[in-house]
Amino acid sequence: TQLLEQSPQFLSIQEGENLTVYCNSSSVFSSLQWYRQEPGEGPVLLVTVVTGGEVKKLKRLTFQFGDARKDSSLHITAAQPGDTGLYLCAGVIARNTGNQFYFGTGTSLTVIP
Amino acid sequence: DVKVTQSSRYLVKRTGEKVFLECVQDMDHENMFWYRQDPGLGLRLIYFSYDVKMKEKGDIPEGYSVSREKKERFSLILESASTNQTSMYLCASSPGGGPGELFFGEGSRLTVL
Repeated sequence: TQLLEQSPQFLSIQEGENLTVYCNSSSVFSSLQWYRQEPGEGPVLLVTVVTGGEVKKLKRLTFQFGDARKDSSLHITAAQPGDTGLYLCAGVIARNTGNQFYFGTGTSLTVIP
Repeated sequence: DVKVTQSSRYLVKRTGEKVFLECVQDMDHENMFWYRQDPGLGLRLIYFSYDVKMKEKGDIPEGYSVSREKKERFSLILESASTNQTSMYLCASSPGGGPGELFFGEGSRLTVL
């Protein structure tokens, strides 16, 4: 089992504030993904980072993959109520039979208008 | 529009009953997965399949079995449901090759009384 710890587990902030979510592991991954899940729905992919040290931006969201490919962070600038949801990181390990995805413990974000 | 469909959104079963959860994807994906989601634990992999009639155990296979007779369909079976199997069950599919992306269904919330 590849364990990924996310912190914080819960986050409640005011609209317009910035925040960072962390995803840490002792395992090395081929790539790392971030998903967002809204109530009553399945998770939806936000981004995949592949290279150690890679930074990707998606509007107000910035994703970084650690140099050693063991950890990642998600930074949201000027959070909006529409950012509310459960954020999940997933470490991907490529195997001959196909990719395996190991999920973090999740961060529940609430953005208060 | 790509789609993963889970047969039941909500189920209530009694201890000892046999439970079938069905999942169908319309994307011709090789890979299919069953996860369970519990608060604070993220998503934990139960079983996965990389090809028709092929299955591999994930991290928590005890008490579950699966069937993949056709490429588009992946079923999760609880032979004798127990209260500790009360959970949200998520099915996902992924194409073969590359980092991959998991496409999830909306989930099946199972309550075992």
